[in-house]
Amino acid sequence: NAGVTQTPKFQVLKTGQSMTLQCAQDMNHNSMYWYRQDPGMGLRLIYYSASEGTTDKGEVPNGYNVSRLNKREFSLRLESAAPSQTSVYFCASSDIQSWNTEAFFGQGTRLTVV
Amino acid sequence: AQSVSQHNHHVILSEAASLELGCNYSYGGTVNLFWYVQYPGQHLQLLLKYFSGDPLVKGIKGFEAEFIKSKFSFNLRKPSVQWSDTAEYFCATNTGNQFYFGTGTSLTVIP
Repeated sequence: NAGVTQTPKFQVLKTGQSMTLQCAQDMNHNSMYWYRQDPGMGLRLIYYSASEGTTDKGEVPNGYNVSRLNKREFSLRLESAAPSQTSVYFCASSDIQSWNTEAFFGQGTRLTVV
Repeated sequence: AQSVSQHNHHVILSEAASLELGCNYSYGGTVNLFWYVQYPGQHLQLLLKYFSGDPLVKGIKGFEAEFIKSKFSFNLRKPSVQWSDTAEYFCATNTGNQFYFGTGTSLTVIP
């Protein structure tokens, strides 16, 4: 039972490079999320997808794009990486429309932009 | 928008001490409330959750939380902490399609 799988686990980018973080869930959840975690700031929502075919901005969307490829997969793209995007990124999924359910998290991607 | 406040940013306890971490939420309607734990270098894992019913919720590893509607609070407790409880703890709630997390409380347990 894999749950939420993120790739890669670690990545170092040079300023200006682009990359895509991949996320897949096998729990048939409708909603998926991308968060970034920075010291002292907790989890901040970047983008989310309430259901297949929809995406919405969260608290800190600038510099990111997302794609909800299908019900299972939700990718996060950095078009031109900046040092301020150095962070730990977590993907999560939930069947939030069922109301009484929690979010399930992936293992995280530690990204360093130099 | 909803918000969640965790007032203890960093807590240091000795083993066997009792723990209480504060959490307050802003929404006045029906809420779902969660506590997550993040061990060093790992992802967030659910400790416990409250949806309705008994306001005293028991979770894994001896943790419990009490929902007090009149105080908009959902504090996490453990009678006797262990070194292995060293971690970061996040309170969260959800409304609509989003989850809202507090900024976290870092707990260090000294053997």
